[in-house]
Amino acid sequence: SAVISQKPSRDICQRGTSLTIQCQVDSQVTMMFWYRQQPGQSLTLIATANQGSEATYESGFVIDKFPISRPNLTFSTLTVSNMSPEDSSIYLCSVTSGVLYNEQFFGPGTRLTVL
Amino acid sequence: AQSVTQLDSHVSVSEGTPVLLRCNYSSSYSPSLFWYVQHPNKGLQLLLKYTSAATLVKGINGFEAEFKKSETSFHLTKPSAHMSDAAEYFCVVTFFSGGYNKLIFGAGTRLAVHP
Repeated sequence: SAVISQKPSRDICQRGTSLTIQCQVDSQVTMMFWYRQQPGQSLTLIATANQGSEATYESGFVIDKFPISRPNLTFSTLTVSNMSPEDSSIYLCSVTSGVLYNEQFFGPGTRLTVL
Repeated sequence: AQSVTQLDSHVSVSEGTPVLLRCNYSSSYSPSLFWYVQHPNKGLQLLLKYTSAATLVKGINGFEAEFKKSETSFHLTKPSAHMSDAAEYFCVVTFFSGGYNKLIFGAGTRLAVHP
């Protein structure tokens, strides 16, 4: 399994500002994923980030709001732009592991509160 | 289309009694299924996975799940609950798209364990 760290672990931000979340993996991985978990809810996939290509966004999520970078095989960032209170969530990154690219391992998450 | 339904949003058991968390899935092909656990203020941890091998899958911490194709179910069980089992549990089905497997999360079941 991979060891994944995220920074920051939590933050409180003002509406209209942006926050960049970092995800670091202890091994090289092809695919990284970003999820959102709204308060009391399940996880929803935001986008998939492959190294060397643009991220692929799920329905309801757009690049202008959630720009993603994937500069190498161990690192990715997610930016939450022009934040509103509705963006208050836990944001998690994950990576696939193994030949089947089947199961995913998750980082500890970033708890974001927007005032 | 792939989907997953967790039949109980909350389950409450006494310590030492059995645990049953129910999950039904819908998939147009033979799915991979997972159970993840999320302890308060902690990241997601993979409990167990089914990937078309044995239908009875054993996971960590004494949990197991049985894949029943005829019932499209993948219920999670444990013979004897421990206080440390109190957490949120997510049933997950995979969805192959764009050359890789995406995860579709159920709504979650919150397990409470009473002394």
